[in-house]
Amino acid sequence: DVKVTQSSRYLVKRTGEKVFLECVQDMDHENMFWYRQDPGLGLRLIYFSYDVKMKEKGDIPEGYSVSREKKERFSLILESASTNQTSMYLCASSWSLASYEQYFGPGTRLTVT
Amino acid sequence: AQSVSQHNHHVILSEAASLELGCNYSYGGTVNLFWYVQYPGQHLQLLLKYFSGDPLVKGIKGFEAEFIKSKFSFNLRKPSVQWSDTAEYFCAVNNEEYGNKLVFGAGTILRVKS
Repeated sequence: DVKVTQSSRYLVKRTGEKVFLECVQDMDHENMFWYRQDPGLGLRLIYFSYDVKMKEKGDIPEGYSVSREKKERFSLILESASTNQTSMYLCASSWSLASYEQYFGPGTRLTVT
Repeated sequence: AQSVSQHNHHVILSEAASLELGCNYSYGGTVNLFWYVQYPGQHLQLLLKYFSGDPLVKGIKGFEAEFIKSKFSFNLRKPSVQWSDTAEYFCAVNNEEYGNKLVFGAGTILRVKS
């Protein structure tokens, strides 16, 4: 079974702090994704990566950056956390962008106070 | 930009009732279509998918979906729901023109009363 793990289930940070969210997948997938999930808005893509050191912006990249130094690990960085970044963050991975399903991690619920 | 509409945000049904959740997308070309489900406290997981071929797709747990190209729709159905189907359901679409990124609908929360 594919396993996608995220470093924390719950996280509370203060406004202005730098926040790192880590994601690891164990199936040698090429592609990895970061989404945020908000009630009534579904999942929105923040960034994705199709190879080591490669990244592309999704639909809502403002206020976020990412890092992919190793194939299995994809990090989401909030340079200076703000209250409007309070959300559920989901990581996913897949073999291919086009046809293959994405496998999701359990999510990190981030609260910024 | 591609968009996905799910018509109902909240649906409440009694056990054994039939279910149909609507999904419409905006792109007119070749698409791949997905329904994902998130049970309370669990990961988002794939319910079923359509790439090509028979437009009636069967998934896990008795769910099915029908792709109707002329209506840009991919509605999810189940003839008889169970209490364990209580979950949030997301429709998602990708296509080559949009860089093959998945675009999700807002989700439908289904509550099944026992």
